[in-house]
Amino acid sequence: EAGVTQSPTHLIKTRGQQATLRCSPISGHTSVYWYQQALGLGLQFLLWYDEGEERNRGNFPPRFSGRQFPNYSSELNVNALELEDSALYLCASSLLGQNTEAFFGQGTRLTVV
Amino acid sequence: AQSVSQHNHHVILSEAASLELGCNYSYGGTVNLFWYVQYPGQHLQLLLKYFSGDPLVKGIKGFEAEFIKSKFSFNLRKPSVQWSDTAEYFCAVNLRGGADGLTFGKGTHLIIQP
Repeated sequence: EAGVTQSPTHLIKTRGQQATLRCSPISGHTSVYWYQQALGLGLQFLLWYDEGEERNRGNFPPRFSGRQFPNYSSELNVNALELEDSALYLCASSLLGQNTEAFFGQGTRLTVV
Repeated sequence: AQSVSQHNHHVILSEAASLELGCNYSYGGTVNLFWYVQYPGQHLQLLLKYFSGDPLVKGIKGFEAEFIKSKFSFNLRKPSVQWSDTAEYFCAVNLRGGADGLTFGKGTHLIIQP
């Protein structure tokens, strides 16, 4: 069974551009989470989607946005990129429910120059 | 505000030493607790989890953790570490009922010296 897959693996953008990151969850999982892993800051919760809707978002500015498609895959968009957005972006998926664990992808390394 | 604290950011041990990594959380409600591990160049993997029941949970690779509700703690332990345990370890918490994403601690970088 395929795990959570993310693309691209690496992405280099210049300041002010937009970045689009993609995530395919494990088959059967309806929830998708996005996290930012910046150097020295640990993993910070960005967004949670389930059944196509945004369920919750972390403490990030509105230029971080995303969506979930009918097949439960998801996109994370980062507009007006800043140097501080350079980080590893992790996607996780889970079943929706009280006692479920999240499974993580390999991540997309975004570098803003 | 919800938060997770990991006390040690860097830990260096020799092989066969015992390990205990601290994790404390601040959450308003009943929680689920997790430890994840990130080996060099690999994705985050679940080590163990606590939802309810026996507060001493056993995970993969000989790891265990104990949930102490009165101390808001979920410390990770292993009696004898191996060189292959070198990795980044993250404690994570979410609310029972799943109305939010996982909140992670900042991680502990564990280095095992042969």
